[in-house]
Amino acid sequence: DAGVIQSPRHEVTEMGQEVTLRCKPISGHDYLFWYRQTMMRGLELLIYFNNNVPIDDSGMPEDRFSAKMPNASFSTLKIQPSEPRDSAVYFCASSFEALAGGPADTQYFGPGTRLTVL
Amino acid sequence: GDSVTQMEGPVTLSEEAFLTINCTYTATGYPSLFWYVQYPGEGLQLLLKATKADDKGSNKGFEATYRKETTSFHLEKGSVQVSDSAVYFCALWGTYKYIFGTGTRLKVLA
Repeated sequence: DAGVIQSPRHEVTEMGQEVTLRCKPISGHDYLFWYRQTMMRGLELLIYFNNNVPIDDSGMPEDRFSAKMPNASFSTLKIQPSEPRDSAVYFCASSFEALAGGPADTQYFGPGTRLTVL
Repeated sequence: GDSVTQMEGPVTLSEEAFLTINCTYTATGYPSLFWYVQYPGEGLQLLLKATKADDKGSNKGFEATYRKETTSFHLEKGSVQVSDSAVYFCALWGTYKYIFGTGTRLKVLA
């Protein structure tokens, strides 16, 4: 398998613009996670999906952020409007379901999208 | 709530030196513990894990032992290589999600 695929790898935009980040999870994985990594806050979980359904979005910073998973092989994270403080590396990860239910405790991360908002 | 604290970096070592990166945690119950590694320009990769007290996780010469009495999961390697230069993250598995430490950057000099 190709692993988790994210696009674009780098995005530079101006404040106020809409930004869409894309993720293709590993085929057969039941869970998909979006993380944000910054120097100040480290690695934060934003939202995760199970079988395309959002389960926990408590980490989404504010209404400017939205995430969708229209099918098992594709998810988007959208920021509208973008602000300079959104500059970060955004990671997507996926995992199987654990035997006992819930996500398995091993996740597979994509290479990330480095977002710069000017 | 649950938390993970790991030593601040950067850590700079010469090749073949001994490595220790400290990690302590606070948690209710007995979570599984993990070390992930992030090489430059890449996503995180699972390095090793331990699921219960006194378990030792190991991989690629790295080891960590789950110490319940000291709530620690320190990462060690006996002889580091330049290729080990990366950022290392300690994490615990809470209720269906990770709690990550802030990461420790390791630089190994030839």
